Amino acid sequence: GAGVSQSPSNKVTEKGKDVELRCDPISGHTALYWYRQSLGQGLEFLIYFQGNSAPDKSGLPSDRFSAERTGGSVSTLTIQRTQQEDSAVYLCASSQGGPSNTGELFFGEGSRLTVL
Amino acid sequence: DQQVKQNSPSLSVQEGRISILNCDYTNSMFDYFLWYKKYPAEGPTFLISISSIKDKNEDGRFTVFLNKSAKHLSLHIVPSQPGDSAVYFCAASRGGANSKLTFGKGITLSVRP
Repeated sequence: GAGVSQSPSNKVTEKGKDVELRCDPISGHTALYWYRQSLGQGLEFLIYFQGNSAPDKSGLPSDRFSAERTGGSVSTLTIQRTQQEDSAVYLCASSQGGPSNTGELFFGEGSRLTVL
Repeated sequence: DQQVKQNSPSLSVQEGRISILNCDYTNSMFDYFLWYKKYPAEGPTFLISISSIKDKNEDGRFTVFLNKSAKHLSLHIVPSQPGDSAVYFCAASRGGANSKLTFGKGITLSVRP
């Protein structure tokens, strides 16, 4: 499809296990974002990739969280030693970036993570 | 520290009437504001945006008003339709349209037939 694709759509894991969440942005989009939405909360910024620039990691809640973006396209968000408070919907978004960017982010449907 | 605040968690309006969704922000460096709409089990979708150099932007039934002195923006939907029932997120960024967005907690709008 032409939209942002995320996998898995649902992930249930045990506390202490590592998980990887994948995001395929829209082709040609240079900016990629990860957000998460915990129950009853808004969208919490995690990390932002823009082209070849160093990513903005200011939203990562702890050093258990990391993300990579390979080849300027696919991104993987990794959570090590998961905790119950990591349970949330993890949303990936991409945008065109550049001077003509309207600021509109295109979101995927999210990966729902449940840590037991 | 919530820099974008949507203080009302929910709003219910009658079909055909106006829906007014409010949003306040604390960071005076924000210069670009957006509204997103989210249905259950779907990702948020862009609705409308406004730059800080404007005080109003209109797109069909949707109008966003920006009051910089009050650090307040609002989304007006008129006439409201049952299909507008969703969660609406206000978002803001600094440094223009290329910057990361800070989102509010969202408002659940219910439009009664």
